[in-house]
Amino acid sequence: GNSVTQMEGPVTLSEEAFLTINCTYTATGYPSLFWYVQYPGEGLQLLLKATKADDKGSNKGFEATYRKETTSFHLEKGSVQVSDSAVYFCALSQAAGNKLTFGGGTRVLVKP
Amino acid sequence: EAGVTQFPSHSVIEKGQTVTLRCDPISGHDNLYWYRRVMGKEIKFLLHFVKESKQDESGMPNNRFLAERTGGTYSTLKVQPAELEDSGVYFCASSRSGTGNFKEQFFGPGTRLTVL
Repeated sequence: GNSVTQMEGPVTLSEEAFLTINCTYTATGYPSLFWYVQYPGEGLQLLLKATKADDKGSNKGFEATYRKETTSFHLEKGSVQVSDSAVYFCALSQAAGNKLTFGGGTRVLVKP
Repeated sequence: EAGVTQFPSHSVIEKGQTVTLRCDPISGHDNLYWYRRVMGKEIKFLLHFVKESKQDESGMPNNRFLAERTGGTYSTLKVQPAELEDSGVYFCASSRSGTGNFKEQFFGPGTRLTVL
């Protein structure tokens, strides 16, 4: 079956530091890949997505590239802010609109 | 446009009791999903409604869980009787139907269920 593995947290950074959260997946075919973010007290929000190999998703300074050869979708941000403190979830879907398979989540804490 | 809402936000019950969670999707969204996160582990899919029909209920853990979506609007998820391992956060999500390759799922804030 499908599975997503992401680095465990928590990840603690200082403001303006570089952030990388690793995500690898196992799936048949060509899934769509997503990063969701959950800010404290809120629901999950779609941060970015990529639907085919070599696609780069980007939003709010975050980027992730769909790497079919390494089955990875690592999340990066060049300069984090305190407001980026949240839990980040990597996920995949085998078909548009269908169920999501999530990784375990990575808590990120950015200190001023 | 109002987002996905869930009620209650927290529920604490004793083992053996019954709890009903409610989800109100975004108006006009035919797809409704239930997920849960247990003990800080990964978020797992429970089931998927298209309007009032169960499209996929492969993630429902056992027959103590009953989901309904009468009229294709809001949905309820009943746990009866609740067990300790049911504790976790239950998320609801909704998305549009129609043509197109990608339909974003919008999530509610979740219901935190604690079974003592």
